Amino acid sequence: QVQLQESGPGLVKPSETLSLTCTVSGGSISPNYWSWIRQTPGKGLEWIGYIYYSGSTNYNPSLKSRVTISVDTSKNQFSLRLTSVTAADTAVYYCARFWGDYWGQGILVTVSS
Amino acid sequence: EIVLTQSPATLSLSPGERATLSCRASQSVNTHLAWYQQKPGQAPKVLIYDASNRATGIPARFSGSGSGTDFTLTISSLEPEDFAVYYCRQRSDWPWTFGQGTKVEIK
Repeated sequence: QVQLQESGPGLVKPSETLSLTCTVSGGSISPNYWSWIRQTPGKGLEWIGYIYYSGSTNYNPSLKSRVTISVDTSKNQFSLRLTSVTAADTAVYYCARFWGDYWGQGILVTVSS
Repeated sequence: EIVLTQSPATLSLSPGERATLSCRASQSVNTHLAWYQQKPGQAPKVLIYDASNRATGIPARFSGSGSGTDFTLTISSLEPEDFAVYYCRQRSDWPWTFGQGTKVEIK
C-alpha cells in the first residue's frame, strides 16, 4: 500500500518561497508520476503540476512562472517550490500519485507576516 | 482550461435514499473523468476512475456513468458514512481540473 506524507513549514511570509517535501513509502517512486495539488476555500481544488521519476515535469500554466517540482529517487521523495507567495497561496497542499489514486493527508500552509 | 460544473451544490437526503450527482464538462473529456469523496479534515479519496470503473475497495453502491460532457455518480442507497462532499475531476486536457463539489448532507 503506497503512502505519502507531506512535510514543511506551516507558515511562510509574503514574497518568500514555499517549500514542501513528499515522502513516499510502501513503494518505489520509480517508475511513476507524482503530483502536487492544493485546496483553498475560494478556488477549490487546483492541480499544481506533476513530475516523472526521471525528472520531466508539467506545470499548471496559472502557476508555471513560480513553480518548481523536483524528485530525489535516492530518498523516495519529491518536492514543491513556489516562489513569491501571497495570501492567495494559503491552502492545504497535497501530494499524490499521478492522477490521484493515492494522496497524502495534506499540509496547511498559511502565507502571513 | 476545461471547466467542470457540478449539480446540485447541495443534496439533502436520508440514509437509504438514492443519490444522483451530475458533472458537466465545458468540452468533451471522453471518459477521462474521476469522482472523489472528501470528508472534513481528510484528503479526497477516489471512488470512480475513467467514468465508470470503481476504485479498489469501493462498495458496489457507488457507480459512475457518462462520456463526452455529461457524467453521473450514483449512490444507490446512502449509508451514514456516505455524507460528504463529492468532486469530479478530468484528466483529458492539461491542466487537469476539478468541479466545485456537491455536498451530500443528511436531511
